[in-house]
Amino acid sequence: SAVISQKPSRDICQRGTSLTIQCQVDSQVTMMFWYRQQPGQSLTLIATANQGSEATYESGFVIDKFPISRPNLTFSTLTVSNMSPEDSSIYLCSVAGGLAGSEQYFGPGTRLTVT
Amino acid sequence: GQQLNQSPQSMFIQEGEDVSMNCTSSSIFNTWLWYKQDPGEGPVLLIALYKAGELTSNGRLTAQFGITRKDSFLNISASIPSDVGIYFCAGQRPGSARQLTFGSGTQLTVLP
Repeated sequence: SAVISQKPSRDICQRGTSLTIQCQVDSQVTMMFWYRQQPGQSLTLIATANQGSEATYESGFVIDKFPISRPNLTFSTLTVSNMSPEDSSIYLCSVAGGLAGSEQYFGPGTRLTVT
Repeated sequence: GQQLNQSPQSMFIQEGEDVSMNCTSSSIFNTWLWYKQDPGEGPVLLIALYKAGELTSNGRLTAQFGITRKDSFLNISASIPSDVGIYFCAGQRPGSARQLTFGSGTQLTVLP
């Protein structure tokens, strides 16, 4: 499976500011995903990020709030814009792999606290 | 979005006991995945299931893809302290372009 790293690992931010989270993979992958995990909750898919095309957002998530870049096959960024305390969560990137790309492998996550 | 019902929500067991947890859905899935998440870490893939009826083991872990394609279970045999963590099921729906839907998680505590 791919080795995935995320930066920063954690951050404390003030409301109204924006934070960009980076996801780096040690091999080229076609499909990358961004998830949010609110405190004590499960994972919710924010968007699918494919290189060379715009990200596809899930219901309840919009590009203005969570802009995503995917400049190449090993890297992606997620920006959390105009943050509020409700954005305090763990943000995780994952990559598709395994049999027919049906498995997903996750990065360590970015723990964001908004004050 | 589509929900996966995962149970139980939490379990407290004695070391050495066996554990069982399951996920059910009202819709069919093409793939079932089981993950474990430790505090401060991302989920780690334990077992992947691709066919209805498939039974797959990974050490002390065994998982099955339900015949109806609407459910899956995970068993852990002879639990040990390092089994502590949150276990998530995840499913991939037909035509979903690889997106996963996650269950709500099972918090496992192993008592010495």
